Amino acid sequence: AQSVTQPDIHITVSEGASLELRCNYSYGATPYLFWYVQSPGQGLQLLLKYFSGDTLVQGIKGFEAEFKRSQSSFNLRKPSVHWSDAAEYFCAVGARGTGRRALTFGSGTRLQVQP
Amino acid sequence: DTGVSQNPRHKITKRGQNVTFRCDPISEHNRLYWYRQTLGQGPEFLTYFQNEAQLEKSRLLSDRFSAERPKGSFSTLEIQRTEQGDSAMYLCASSPNGAQGAVSNQPQHFGDGTRLSIL
Repeated sequence: AQSVTQPDIHITVSEGASLELRCNYSYGATPYLFWYVQSPGQGLQLLLKYFSGDTLVQGIKGFEAEFKRSQSSFNLRKPSVHWSDAAEYFCAVGARGTGRRALTFGSGTRLQVQP
Repeated sequence: DTGVSQNPRHKITKRGQNVTFRCDPISEHNRLYWYRQTLGQGPEFLTYFQNEAQLEKSRLLSDRFSAERPKGSFSTLEIQRTEQGDSAMYLCASSPNGAQGAVSNQPQHFGDGTRLSIL
């Protein structure tokens, strides 16, 4: 069964600083990989996804993520954080080639942005 | 694209009561998913429909939980004899079919959820 680890429960950065959120997964093959963002009391919004091909994927709101097979990682990055980026971020994996549709989510990283 | 709609947004009920939530997926999406999210955790998968067929169920979905999607459009999730541990956010998501031969490569689009509080 697949699993996802987000090692950082809470991160605080200053507005304008760069950001990297870590995600490590466990899966027998290359999974489908996703990053979602959730504001308080809201559902999840898809930031970006990796299915195949270029390991550096671009998403919405200036986010990007890099798939590193050797490290089983899919870290999320943004070069300059805005106050509106404060939210909870979830990494998720989907099984490939098994017929299963369920996504497995990490426990999330809460991002706080200081002015 | 009006997005995934969930009703009600909040539900407060007494322990032992039955509750039902509704999810209206994005209109052209034939896959529908239910997840549960407790405080400080990521969503956990409950069940999945392809059109009206319920194809996958998590072990989290005890016999007190039942989900339906009778016409392949909206879905309902019912919890019978609610317990304190059922307090959570219940999230619905939908996605279109993947390309032919693809299995699960279409991203899931989430609604804003129904927050259930058990008194």
